Amino acid sequence: DVKVTQSSRYLVKRTGEKVFLECVQDMDHENMFWYRQDPGLGLRLIYFSYDVKMKEKGDIPEGYSVSREKKERFSLILESASTNQTSMYLCASSLHPGSVNEQYFGPGTRLTVT
Amino acid sequence: TQLLEQSPQFLSIQEGENLTVYCNSSSVFSSLQWYRQEPGEGPVLLVTVVTGGEVKKLKRLTFQFGDARKDSSLHITAAQTGDTGLYLCAGGIRSNDYKLSFGAGTTVTVRA
Repeated sequence: DVKVTQSSRYLVKRTGEKVFLECVQDMDHENMFWYRQDPGLGLRLIYFSYDVKMKEKGDIPEGYSVSREKKERFSLILESASTNQTSMYLCASSLHPGSVNEQYFGPGTRLTVT
Repeated sequence: TQLLEQSPQFLSIQEGENLTVYCNSSSVFSSLQWYRQEPGEGPVLLVTVVTGGEVKKLKRLTFQFGDARKDSSLHITAAQTGDTGLYLCAGGIRSNDYKLSFGAGTTVTVRA
């Protein structure tokens, strides 16, 4: 079974703090993704990475950065947290795309910024 | 505007009833996935369909991919309370595309 783990299930941070969200996958997948999920807005892609040290912006990258130093680990960084970044953050991974592009998700991190 | 439109947005039924959720697009997809997400958890992959007209069954769940690969449906027979959750469809336009487009989801509530 594919296993994607996220460092925290719940986080509460103050406005202006630097926040690190960590994601680890154990299936040797090339691709990793960070989404946020908000009611009524669905899943929105923040950043993704298709190889170590490679990253590409998704649909809503503003206010976020990422790091992928090792194949199995993908970090999302909120440089200066703001209340509008309160959300559910989901990490996912997938094999190199072929005829199918199945993504496997972690359990999510519920971040509250006060 | 969502690339994938799901309907209905909400569905509440009694245990034992059948239900169908739809996922539609004007775009052709190389593959389409269905996920179920329980409150406070991440989405869990249920199935992937690849071929136009393909039908896959997973116990009481039946998934169909449209002939033109622009739409899909999920049918649940004799729903149980454990089927409660958010159902998401997602698809890739090109076979070499890293990204998936997600529908907004259908919230299914099965009442005991």
